[in-house]
Amino acid sequence: DIAMTQTPLSLPVSPGEPASISCRSSQSLFNSDDGNTYLDWYLQRPGQSPQLLIYRLSSRASGVPDRFSGSGSGTDFTLKISRVEAEDVGIYYCMQRIDFPSVTFGQGTKLEIK
Amino acid sequence: EVQLVESGGGLVQPGGSLRLSCATSGFTFDDYAMHWVRQAPGKGLEWVSSINWNSDHITYADSVKGRFTISRDNAKTSLFLQMNSLRAEDTALYYCVLDNASYLSRIFDYWGQGTLVTVSS
Repeated sequence: DIAMTQTPLSLPVSPGEPASISCRSSQSLFNSDDGNTYLDWYLQRPGQSPQLLIYRLSSRASGVPDRFSGSGSGTDFTLKISRVEAEDVGIYYCMQRIDFPSVTFGQGTKLEIK
Repeated sequence: EVQLVESGGGLVQPGGSLRLSCATSGFTFDDYAMHWVRQAPGKGLEWVSSINWNSDHITYADSVKGRFTISRDNAKTSLFLQMNSLRAEDTALYYCVLDNASYLSRIFDYWGQGTLVTVSS
């Protein structure tokens, strides 16, 4: 199985400040056949179910604000929030789906407001 | 509006069985693949099983293979998970998840609120 490692595990951020979460995979998530990178990001707000934020490295899901962006290549990836808002509090998970049939999630990064 | 409502969770003894259901609405059920993803208390997310739109492509995590069976009833727009030989490590909140495609793209587009399964004597 492909292992996913996120850093940091805890991220205190002041409102209006940027935030960055890193995710590293044990194998490349780039598919040279179709040119896609199979890395997604999810947010689980407190007491809620996870929701899709970013799919295929950098495509924002429907309704996701443009302050969220995904980037990276190969085995190193980053989720950036340009200006953190109170509603961004929660646990962020990266997930690989280049492997089949298994998908694997990172351990999660808890973002909190300072 | 997409709605995914899980039911069937509860307390069961080790070695026992449970059948989870997911009632859906707000979308054309037989146009999409579906999944089960679980989350142990205070822990992260773990994919459990997937089924494509017409049930001819089914996959399982190694941790549940041979014990769990995923199925769907397109006429009743419902997803199921039959769980046998349950173990303490199966204790988790089980989410019903909607794919964004008919095949197993595994983009988890919408999630239900989950149903809690507790395996304990």
